[in-house]
Amino acid sequence: SQQGEEDPQALSIQEGENATMNCSYKTSINNLQWYRQNSGRGLVHLILIRSNEREKHSGRLRVTLDTSKKSSSLLITASRAADTASYFCATGQYNFNKFYFGSGTKLNVKP
Amino acid sequence: DVKVTQSSRYLVKRTGEKVFLECVQDMDHENMFWYRQDPGLGLRLIYFSYDVKMKEKGDIPEGYSVSREKKERFSLILESASTNQTSMYLCASSPTGQANEQYFGPGTRLTVT
Repeated sequence: SQQGEEDPQALSIQEGENATMNCSYKTSINNLQWYRQNSGRGLVHLILIRSNEREKHSGRLRVTLDTSKKSSSLLITASRAADTASYFCATGQYNFNKFYFGSGTKLNVKP
Repeated sequence: DVKVTQSSRYLVKRTGEKVFLECVQDMDHENMFWYRQDPGLGLRLIYFSYDVKMKEKGDIPEGYSVSREKKERFSLILESASTNQTSMYLCASSPTGQANEQYFGPGTRLTVT
């Protein structure tokens, strides 16, 4: 499978703590994206990191990419109850306009 | 704001029925996608289209077909619905190019009885 695989499958933390999710993939990629899905809804794009980038920030989000290890991590700092959702990584391949999604990490932030 | 709409949020159909799921985007995107989402399996690509009347199979096209007669509309067709097609169906669109985000619709939860 070319899908990314997220780890852990589920994560439960207290409000204010940091949440870290990891994504591993198998083939060379052009870019990697993270999406959030609130229960029963569509996915919302969070951040994109290109294969020649190592780290990217957006508000409370920090994404790292290690192409030698074929892995990425998403860090959410100072989490809030509203961050409770499932988070997916999606890998974009060269010469294709499609993406491969992992099975997601379910984050629960307790108030 | 990009908007991707799907024709129904919830749908209940009987085995053997022909089912149409419609998706419309309002941002003139070239690419459109249909995924299904099942617990523990993530999103799996059924079909995608990179232009009007153009389509390519994704990872699980069996039992499905698609139609794209207009740029803004992408339809997923279940020729003869089966219970194993009970799932959440998500439509997405994106501009052409290799590093563009996808914009998702709210999803259609289809139950086949």
